[in-house]
Amino acid sequence: GAVVSQHPSRVICKSGTSVKIECRSLDFQATTMFWYRQFPKKSLMLMATSNEGSKATYEQGVEKDKFLINHASLTLSTLTVTSAHPEDSSFYICSARIPGPYNSPLHFGNGTRLTVT
Amino acid sequence: DAKTTQPNSMESNEEEPVHLPCNHSTISGTDYIHWYRQLPSQGPEYVIHGLTSNVNNRMASLAIAEDRKSSTLILHRATLRDAAVYYCISYSNTGKLIFGQGTTLQVKP
Repeated sequence: GAVVSQHPSRVICKSGTSVKIECRSLDFQATTMFWYRQFPKKSLMLMATSNEGSKATYEQGVEKDKFLINHASLTLSTLTVTSAHPEDSSFYICSARIPGPYNSPLHFGNGTRLTVT
Repeated sequence: DAKTTQPNSMESNEEEPVHLPCNHSTISGTDYIHWYRQLPSQGPEYVIHGLTSNVNNRMASLAIAEDRKSSTLILHRATLRDAAVYYCISYSNTGKLIFGQGTTLQVKP
């Protein structure tokens, strides 16, 4: 069964509004979670690393004020797309690793399809 | 993370084996090779990973070249449900998975 749960699976919002996406680790604690975005027919692009209890680490070119990440507990990370615009429409995916060796696999949520009108 | 190179697409017939190649010529000695696959409109799914030795699990086998500059994911009997994008990732201890373009596998009935 799923070990990472993501909500909502789909969201449509109007331009200028903010949208929050939740990512939960099920039955394990995740001190680190990762957020990706994916455009149609393209690969996943890592946006940021979410760290429990501290600031997220953003990849180059990702606006931290645009994509707010909060990792307030060991099982929940949230991504808020602020003042969304149509170009933010994308598939957002989170992932986490069950605690273990650094080479252990990542588990991914089922993604959130964001459409900004 | 070392760059990986995969063919853009491959085709297979149902019930036949599939060999998906991956080149990672700049891989370092401690980088693991991970494979994930992604079905349409879903998050990626872990398939298999290894360091030096060949690996088997219920989903697939991973054959790693002796010089570790390439590897091959083997699906022993392809089914229609195996149609997906397969990503080969050279994974270092940074903790981050960086995805390349992957191979789109089509399985024909």
